[in-house]
Amino acid sequence: DAMVIQNPRYQVTQFGKPVTLSCSQTLNHNVMYWYQQKSSQAPKLLFHYYDKDFNNEADTPDNFQSRRPNTSFCFLDIRSPGLGDAAMYLCATSRDQRGATEQYFGPGTRLTVT
Amino acid sequence: KQEVTQIPAALSVPEGENLVLNCSFTDSAIYNLQWFRQDPGKGLTSLLLIQSSQREQTSGRLNASLDKSSGRSTLYIAASQPGDSATYLCAVRLADSWGKFQFGAGTQVVVTP
Repeated sequence: DAMVIQNPRYQVTQFGKPVTLSCSQTLNHNVMYWYQQKSSQAPKLLFHYYDKDFNNEADTPDNFQSRRPNTSFCFLDIRSPGLGDAAMYLCATSRDQRGATEQYFGPGTRLTVT
Repeated sequence: KQEVTQIPAALSVPEGENLVLNCSFTDSAIYNLQWFRQDPGKGLTSLLLIQSSQREQTSGRLNASLDKSSGRSTLYIAASQPGDSATYLCAVRLADSWGKFQFGAGTQVVVTP
């Protein structure tokens, strides 16, 4: 089945220690998104890629970076995690940047910062 | 700026009762509206997608309506079951930018046996 895969499902890192989260998709979608979701809150968009074009949300901290080496993979790098970065990180895809297409989500990565 | 609101934040119903979940948005310039289910500690599972030109969409026990002019969508779940316990989120795809999705904070539902 075509799907969105995130690894790892659970990640524990130390304060200030860089961490990378991975997302892959078999849907061949052009758009990939990274969201941060804290408890009982709406998912917050961090950035998205349309093909190779990177689009950062204005309020995304510089501590968060992303890479998309090819259509299938996208990575979220947190350069110096703080306690406030503990959250669920959700990867999603969409076929197009505009129009009436929907989002498909992966299972998420739960990040704990100690 | 588009605001998406889901009220109530939580509700509890006895098994067998119909569920009615509300989603409101402030800007009617949308491509579509999508309803999701989220189980604790999990990702989002898509339930229904309603295009801006549609009034409703149905899948099994689920029915979602859309009134774009009033900025409202309602998700109905018939004959609720304990397995329906989860958080339900709605998201609108904005038509006035690059197609960003704006989420509500969700309604946490508990169905008691």
